[in-house]
Amino acid sequence: NAGVTQTPKFQVLKTGQSMTLQCAQDMNHNSMYWYRQDPGMGLRLIYYSASEGTTDKGEVPNGYNVSRLNKREFSLRLESAAPSQTSVYFCASRTGQRVSYTFGSGTRLTVV
Amino acid sequence: DQQVKQNSPSLSVQEGRISILNCDYTNSMFDYFLWYKKYPAEGPTFLISISSIKDKNEDGRFTVFLNKSAKHLSLHIVPSQPGDSAVYFCAASAYGNKLVFGAGTILRVKS
Repeated sequence: NAGVTQTPKFQVLKTGQSMTLQCAQDMNHNSMYWYRQDPGMGLRLIYYSASEGTTDKGEVPNGYNVSRLNKREFSLRLESAAPSQTSVYFCASRTGQRVSYTFGSGTRLTVV
Repeated sequence: DQQVKQNSPSLSVQEGRISILNCDYTNSMFDYFLWYKKYPAEGPTFLISISSIKDKNEDGRFTVFLNKSAKHLSLHIVPSQPGDSAVYFCAASAYGNKLVFGAGTILRVKS
């Protein structure tokens, strides 16, 4: 089982560049999430999708957009990257029956 | 406003001793609590959980205690092993909604 797959694992961007972080899950989960992890801040929710066709803002959505392409895939886009978006990004998913999430291995993004 | 707080950024424990990681929450609507473990360069993995209708849940070396009146939960690891060295995140949910995470505690188990 692959679980939750994130690509790329590492990325360096220049300020103002755009990029899309990809996430796919093969567990037939309904809900998907994007978090960022920063030192001393824990995991903060950026956007989530409770089910295919829906997306909602989380705690820190500014500067990001998302697309729930289908039930498997949930992408996160940075339209104009800023140094404040340097972070480790995690995608997660869960079924409707369990509260627990399954996380991907993360994307380490540096914006210079 | 941090709804889930882990006030100890780090903890160092000798191998074989007990590790106690603490977590406080402010939202009285939270009814399900989880602990996640995270190794460097990996995603968080689920460790143990507890429903608000219980005050204790045990799984092998790991036990979570919940004190609802104090809005406090703790994770006990006995005995601690070097492989337990990781970042531990406390998380909470209200009525099955999205998880809210604490800032994490770095646990170092010395051999």
